[in-house]
Amino acid sequence: AQTVTQSQPEMSVQEAETVTLSCTYDTSESNYYLFWYKQPPSRQMILVIRQEAYKQQNATENRFSVNFQKAAKSFSLKISDSQLGDTAMYFCAFREGGADGLTFGKGTHLIIQP
Amino acid sequence: DAGVIQSPRHEVTEMGQEVTLRCKPISGHDYLFWYRQTMMRGLELLIYFNNNVPIDDSGMPEDRFSAKMPNASFSTLKIQPSEPRDSAVYFCASSLGRVGQPQHFGDGTRLSIL
Repeated sequence: AQTVTQSQPEMSVQEAETVTLSCTYDTSESNYYLFWYKQPPSRQMILVIRQEAYKQQNATENRFSVNFQKAAKSFSLKISDSQLGDTAMYFCAFREGGADGLTFGKGTHLIIQP
Repeated sequence: DAGVIQSPRHEVTEMGQEVTLRCKPISGHDYLFWYRQTMMRGLELLIYFNNNVPIDDSGMPEDRFSAKMPNASFSTLKIQPSEPRDSAVYFCASSLGRVGQPQHFGDGTRLSIL
């Protein structure tokens, strides 16, 4: 069974700084998809960014980008120019190409300080 | 466009009572997922449907839990009888197709069993 590990339970940075959240996963599959979801205090689960394993190019969405290292099974999220609204729980999630449910990490609580 | 709609947003009931959680997926989505979020276990997949048919219910904790999808626009998750350890946030999510498409989550139902 696949596992997703987020080794940083909590992180705190100053507004406008850049922060990187780490995620590693374990799978024997070659076809899979990776996602980062944001969960603010409102409890919503908001998709931040996604990456297809067969694509070598790292995904980017505005201030959010990933560093996908397939050989190392690593999928980190970089947030540039952090904003107070980025304060939230961030979950890394994995989905096999042939399966449909998401496997989530335990999450990282990110706090952006003014 | 309307997102995934869940009801109720909060539910407080006494142990032994039947609880029914409801979900309306995004129109046109053919996959529907139920997840449970607790502090101890994080986010776990309970069951998912494809075209209204249950595909994998291996995450359903025990026989007290059941889920149905009578049509493409409605699903229920029922707990009978409820127990205090069922207290959690229950999320419904839907997605289109299967090739790495992201899942869109509802706002969740916070369930408290007294």
